[in-house]
Amino acid sequence: AQSVTQPDIHITVSEGASLELRCNYSYGATPYLFWYVQSPGQGLQLLLKYFSGDTLVQGIKGFEAEFKRSQSSFNLRKPSVHWSDAAEYFCAVDSNSGYALNFGKGTSLLVTP
Amino acid sequence: EAGVAQSPRYKIIEKRQSVAFWCNPISGHATLYWYQQILGQGPKLLIQFQNNGVVDDSQLPKDRFSAERLKGVDSTLKIQPAKLEDSAVYLCASSATAGGVGEQYFGPGTRLTVT
Repeated sequence: AQSVTQPDIHITVSEGASLELRCNYSYGATPYLFWYVQSPGQGLQLLLKYFSGDTLVQGIKGFEAEFKRSQSSFNLRKPSVHWSDAAEYFCAVDSNSGYALNFGKGTSLLVTP
Repeated sequence: EAGVAQSPRYKIIEKRQSVAFWCNPISGHATLYWYQQILGQGPKLLIQFQNNGVVDDSQLPKDRFSAERLKGVDSTLKIQPAKLEDSAVYLCASSATAGGVGEQYFGPGTRLTVT
């Protein structure tokens, strides 16, 4: 069955430290991959997406993600976290079927001073 | 450009009551989605419209949930009767094209509490 797994429910990092959020997917072919961020009381905002080509994609707010086909992963990274990055992060997959996104359960990021 | 609008933002009802949510997508967006996001989980698709036709409603509990998108613009999601497990945030999203190729833009959501 198709699935998206975000192994970390909660992550705490210090402001200024680097960040990596993990995402693994299970699909038959290479899907379209997305990372969304959700701040409290807000809708989801797209950070970045991967369709094809360069496996390292750049997004907004200084985020980047790397697609690794051999590991079925699409991990999100940021070299230096800011307090405003505290939010819920969702990895999502589209199986290129023309249908809606399949989301992971999310990772809650806490940033400490 | 105005974003996806949803109302109300919050709703508290008792079980077995009915409730309706409204969504106005971004102008010109053909595809509209309703997602249910239960606390601690990612959004789950309830129904997808392409213009005013249903593309996918396989995960919509049709015995109690209904949705329509008249004239291919605004959409309404209704729950009747509500159950405790329907407590969630209901997100509306729209995209210019179907599927993930077209970026989905999300509204702020409606938080439903069923007591």
